[in-house]
Amino acid sequence: SQTIHQWPATLVQPVGSPLSLECTVEGTSNPNLYWYRQAAGRGLQLLFYSVGIGQISSEVPQNLSASRPQDRQFILSSKKLLLSDSGFYLCAWRAGKYEQYFGPGTRLTVT
Amino acid sequence: KNQVEQSPQSLIILEGKNCTLQCNYTVSPFSNLRWYKQDTGRGPVSLTIMTFSENTKSNGRYTATLDADTKQSSLHITASQLSDSASYICVVSRSGAGSYQLTFGKGTKLSVIP
Repeated sequence: SQTIHQWPATLVQPVGSPLSLECTVEGTSNPNLYWYRQAAGRGLQLLFYSVGIGQISSEVPQNLSASRPQDRQFILSSKKLLLSDSGFYLCAWRAGKYEQYFGPGTRLTVT
Repeated sequence: KNQVEQSPQSLIILEGKNCTLQCNYTVSPFSNLRWYKQDTGRGPVSLTIMTFSENTKSNGRYTATLDADTKQSSLHITASQLSDSASYICVVSRSGAGSYQLTFGKGTKLSVIP
């Protein structure tokens, strides 16, 4: 069966510090991968998606970047965090025509 | 503009009671509508997915309905349990979107109390 991992589960970082969140998927190959952010009181916002190694599309201009160095690995990064980057970050992968599975999420607090 | 509106924002019900959550959308062209359950601090888990031709789908005590003409969906929870306490998110997919774009509602926070 397919499994999606995210780490760390929680993170507290000061403003201006770098960020690296990792997502890995098991049990499938060449998945479409997605990064979402969920801010308090708001719906999930798609940040990046990837259809293959090295292929990244950005949905929203922002302080973040994404990379896909391996087929089942998706990384979300920032060189300098802003307070507005705080939120709950979710990685997801697409299965079949309609289904999308989410990871457990990373709670990021920028102080 | 593609939007998904959910109501109510929050709901408190007694254990064992039924409840219905609403979702209205303006996403076009429509592909499918999903309901997710998200426990606090966890990733969303899919409950149901409905395409244009489906007007009802059940998953245990959860029953979703879809009226594609009025662009409305509802999620009915029967005989609620304490474990049903969570946020319920309505998500609509637009057809023909090469990036497989989904529009998410803000969710309804359900609290089931004993």
